[in-house]
Amino acid sequence: DAKTTQPNSMESNEEEPVHLPCNHSTISGTDYIHWYRQLPSQGPEYVIHGLTSNVNNRMASLAIAEDRKSSTLILHRATLRDAAVYYCILSVIQGAQKLVFGQGTRLTINP
Amino acid sequence: DSGVTQTPKHLITATGQRVTLRCSPRSGDLSVYWYQQSLDQGLQFLIQYYNGEERAKGNILERFSAQQFPDLHSELNLSSLELGDSALYFCASSAKTGSRHEQFFGPGTRLTVL
Repeated sequence: DAKTTQPNSMESNEEEPVHLPCNHSTISGTDYIHWYRQLPSQGPEYVIHGLTSNVNNRMASLAIAEDRKSSTLILHRATLRDAAVYYCILSVIQGAQKLVFGQGTRLTINP
Repeated sequence: DSGVTQTPKHLITATGQRVTLRCSPRSGDLSVYWYQQSLDQGLQFLIQYYNGEERAKGNILERFSAQQFPDLHSELNLSSLELGDSALYFCASSAKTGSRHEQFFGPGTRLTVL
């Protein structure tokens, strides 16, 4: 399984943007980049995913480097509810899809 | 609310026992996944079913088995339970299978083996 590297923890302030980095230097051309987050005492929650182009949705933006070896999840205005563990996952194009979760980044939001 | 339901929410049992965890996917989703989250191993993929058939297997022990029924709900059976099986078990579902489909996770079942 292709690996991702994320910082163990990050801290930010409420109402400020947050940039969560992820390195995936062994990514292959057909691997999708997925981001999930897990709030305390809850199941993981889908955030966003992309293949090559930058992606936006109501929760966040995903910026993918041109060589696809890294990506950044952007939360435009963090709220206290965004405090969670964020997982960057590579998902291989095959018939099955299993998400291989790493340790993720624990994001703390300061009021 | 993801639309995925799991029962029971909590389960306490003894070593050597057998339990069944149940999952109802989101309406219309054909694919069901099971994950285990423990403090020392993190979130680990166990098994995937798609429209009733097993599609992928992860680090699932031989003491564990799963199935997906014609109405698409799924059950995870854990037998000969050991203390180390204590964990959160999550079910997820997706519309189809394949890496571009997001998965929607249920609230989990917390299993405690005493």
